[in-house]
Amino acid sequence: QVQLVESGGGVVQPGRSLRLSCAASGFTFSGYGMHWVRQAPGKGLEWVAVISYDGSNKYYADSVKGRFTTSRDNFKNTLYLQMDSLRAEDTAVYYCAKVRGHSYVDPDYWGQGTLVTVSS
Amino acid sequence: DIQMTQSPSSLSASVGDRVTITCRASQAITIYLAWFQQKPGKAPKSLIYAASSLQSGVPSRFSGSGSGTDFSLTISSLQPEDFATYYCQQYISYPITFGQGTRLEI
Repeated sequence: QVQLVESGGGVVQPGRSLRLSCAASGFTFSGYGMHWVRQAPGKGLEWVAVISYDGSNKYYADSVKGRFTTSRDNFKNTLYLQMDSLRAEDTAVYYCAKVRGHSYVDPDYWGQGTLVTVSS
Repeated sequence: DIQMTQSPSSLSASVGDRVTITCRASQAITIYLAWFQQKPGKAPKSLIYAASSLQSGVPSRFSGSGSGTDFSLTISSLQPEDFATYYCQQYISYPITFGQGTRLEI
């Protein structure tokens, strides 16, 4: 079955960097795009970024554009989110999620999330 | 950006009730709409995609309808495990956007 496991979260000071990872299994990772979605404490869901199956196309939310970069290693079945110039408002649980398919890009399977806390 | 507005923001109901949550898009999104369920401390779970297609493994008491700008999620007979927060999401264009959520409580 599809399994997505995020890691790399933690407490980081404002202005610093952090890299999240998402290990995928149970499906052909190289055949699907992947999303990042975040949720601030007590708030709703916010889409962050998406990367195509081969890494050639990427889109970002305006709130993270220029600071966050998503990438993937299809040999390691792993998705990444490099987060630079972190701000307090980036504090959230970060989820990776699998894109459903080529016709529909909604997320169909989600990881359990990893918490990022930006605080001095 | 496309704005997604859900109503109501919260809803009280009882086991066995039929409930409907609505979602309105600020511009037409054809059928590129999904619904998710989230329980406290857990990841969201896909319920409906393409406005009315049921995700594999989701009980048939969940159904979705609509196209264009107006959509709805209906639970035909509430079960205890259905008390959660529900989100709609448009994915016709980037940035993908979510509704603010509807909290369904007893």
